[in-house]
Amino acid sequence: DAGVIQSPRHEVTEMGQEVTLRCKPISGHDYLFWYRQTMMRGLELLIYFNNNVPIDDSGMPEDRFSAKMPNASFSTLKIQPSEPRDSAVYFCASSFLAARSGNTIYFGEGSWLTVV
Amino acid sequence: KNQVEQSPQSLIILEGKNCTLQCNYTVSPFSNLRWYKQDTGRGPVSLTIMTFSENTKSNGRYTATLDADTKQSSLHITASQLSDSASYICVVRGRDSNYQLIWGAGTKLIIKP
Repeated sequence: DAGVIQSPRHEVTEMGQEVTLRCKPISGHDYLFWYRQTMMRGLELLIYFNNNVPIDDSGMPEDRFSAKMPNASFSTLKIQPSEPRDSAVYFCASSFLAARSGNTIYFGEGSWLTVV
Repeated sequence: KNQVEQSPQSLIILEGKNCTLQCNYTVSPFSNLRWYKQDTGRGPVSLTIMTFSENTKSNGRYTATLDADTKQSSLHITASQLSDSASYICVVRGRDSNYQLIWGAGTKLIIKP
């Protein structure tokens, strides 16, 4: 399996622009997670899906952030409008069954976002 | 408040030496604890997972220990290699939450030749 695939790997955009990050989870995994990582705050869970349904979006910082999972093999994280403080690495991750069973969460390589 | 604290924040050692990274947590009730390795510019990769009943678990040159009574875990790296340079993150899951994983801030390890 190719693992969790994210795109783009790097993006530089101007403040106010819309940013869309994409993720393809590992085939067969029923949980998908979006994380954000910064030097100051470390890894933060933004939202996660189970069987394409958003379960907990309490980590989404503001209404400017939205995430969708239209099918089992694709998810997007959108920021509109983007701000410089959104600059971070955004990780998508997936797992089979819940972590409560001890199953490992597999991370993508991340999307490095810089908002200028 | 559920917390995971790691120490040291950063560590520099010479290639071939051993080192131990620490993780203290206050998450209760406890379900499991994981150690992840994150290379610069990459996503975290799981090294090991430990449940309440496990005291020691090894993965090659990596050995994790867990003391559930004192709520402490350690990751010991033996005969370090340059490729061990990375951030090591401790993650704890509580037992009463649906998917609450508490992430530590990580220890940045640098191996010098």
